[in-house]
Amino acid sequence: DAKTTQPNSMESNEEEPVHLPCNHSTISGTDYIHWYRQLPSQGPEYVIHGLTSNVNNRMASLAIAEDRKSSTLILHRATLRDAAVYYCILRGLGGGADGLTFGKGTHLIIQP
Amino acid sequence: DGGITQSPKYLFRKEGQNVTLSCEQNLNHDAMYWYRQDPGQGLRLIYYSQIVNDFQKGDIAEGYSVSREKKESFPLTVTSAQKNPTAFYLCASSPSLGVGTEAFFGQGTRLTVV
Repeated sequence: DAKTTQPNSMESNEEEPVHLPCNHSTISGTDYIHWYRQLPSQGPEYVIHGLTSNVNNRMASLAIAEDRKSSTLILHRATLRDAAVYYCILRGLGGGADGLTFGKGTHLIIQP
Repeated sequence: DGGITQSPKYLFRKEGQNVTLSCEQNLNHDAMYWYRQDPGQGLRLIYYSQIVNDFQKGDIAEGYSVSREKKESFPLTVTSAQKNPTAFYLCASSPSLGVGTEAFFGQGTRLTVV
């Protein structure tokens, strides 16, 4: 799986939008962009994924750059329950299609 | 409810003892995974399985063993050969190794070896 780069931490205020960036300059044409989040002492939970087009679901939106070398997870109105570590990962069809590979992610802090 | 269950949530063992962590899923998923997480770190892949009776080593398989005799079960044994076994262990499953599929995680087992 290709590597991604995320900021170590970000801070936002409650009820404001949050934009979490992810760089993946070595992404291949068949790599999917996945986002997961992990609350303290819990297993990660799926947030969203996409290939080329922007995606929306009940939790968040995923904006993918036209060249696919970066993407942004958008939480439209952050709540205290959104405080978590957010992981951006790539899953590809290449020989290493062996599971999800996680980096350290972005620690999102929400201020009341 | 459908989901993935890990047990126990907390586990204590003496150094030198083997210990087996349970992971069961009723989602009818083909692929299952085991990860290890140390404080402040991301998840590291230990083993994964695409199908019954088949599994592959991940990045840190040394000192661990697995079996996949049933589709719904993927137990992980932490052997005495694992030099630093104290960690948070997470099990996951997904419909297949297909890259467009989401994975579901259990709530984890926190293993402490004393």
